Amino acid sequence: KAGVTQTPRYLIKTRGQQVTLSCSPISGHRSVSWYQQTPGQGLQFLFEYFSETQRNKGNFPGRFSGRQFSNSRSEMNVSTLELGDSALYLCASSLGTGLNEKLFFGSGTQLSVL
Amino acid sequence: GQQLNQSPQSMFIQEGEDVSMNCTSSSIFNTWLWYKQDPGEGPVLLIALYKAGELTSNGRLTAQFGITRKDSFLNISASIPSDVGIYFCAGPSGIRAGNEKLTFGTGTRLTIIP
Repeated sequence: KAGVTQTPRYLIKTRGQQVTLSCSPISGHRSVSWYQQTPGQGLQFLFEYFSETQRNKGNFPGRFSGRQFSNSRSEMNVSTLELGDSALYLCASSLGTGLNEKLFFGSGTQLSVL
Repeated sequence: GQQLNQSPQSMFIQEGEDVSMNCTSSSIFNTWLWYKQDPGEGPVLLIALYKAGELTSNGRLTAQFGITRKDSFLNISASIPSDVGIYFCAGPSGIRAGNEKLTFGTGTRLTIIP
């Protein structure tokens, strides 16, 4: 069974640009969560999608958005990039239908904003 | 919001030594999770705890859910080189009591000195 796949692995952008990151969950998983990891702030929850609907949201500005498709694949978008958006963006998937489910993380997309 | 503080921030040990780390919260958690992150990869779930006072083992790893429900402990016995990495505690903080929205601790970086 394939794990969580994130593309691209590395990305370099400049300030003001926008970026789209992709996540393919484990087959059968309907919940996809996104996290931002930086050395200073650690792992911070961005949002979670289940059945194409945003179900949970973290405390990030509106420049950070996401969506989920009918096949459970998810994308997150960051518009008007700032230097502080440089981070490892992690996607995690789970069944999303019960308590105490395990979250499986992808390897992440390393975004560098210059 | 909820905060999880881990200590120590970093550890430098020799192979074969035992390791202890802990995580404390400003509020009560109903679930405690311990993850390990290798360089360039996403976190991998090691142990999940669901009941106050619970003690759970996974090979050389043992974790405990504190009876106050505001802390948790992770021990690694007889450390080996592959134990190197960053260890995170985490707990669910979403509206639902699932694990899709996690608050992560600040991490403990484990280094093994040759």
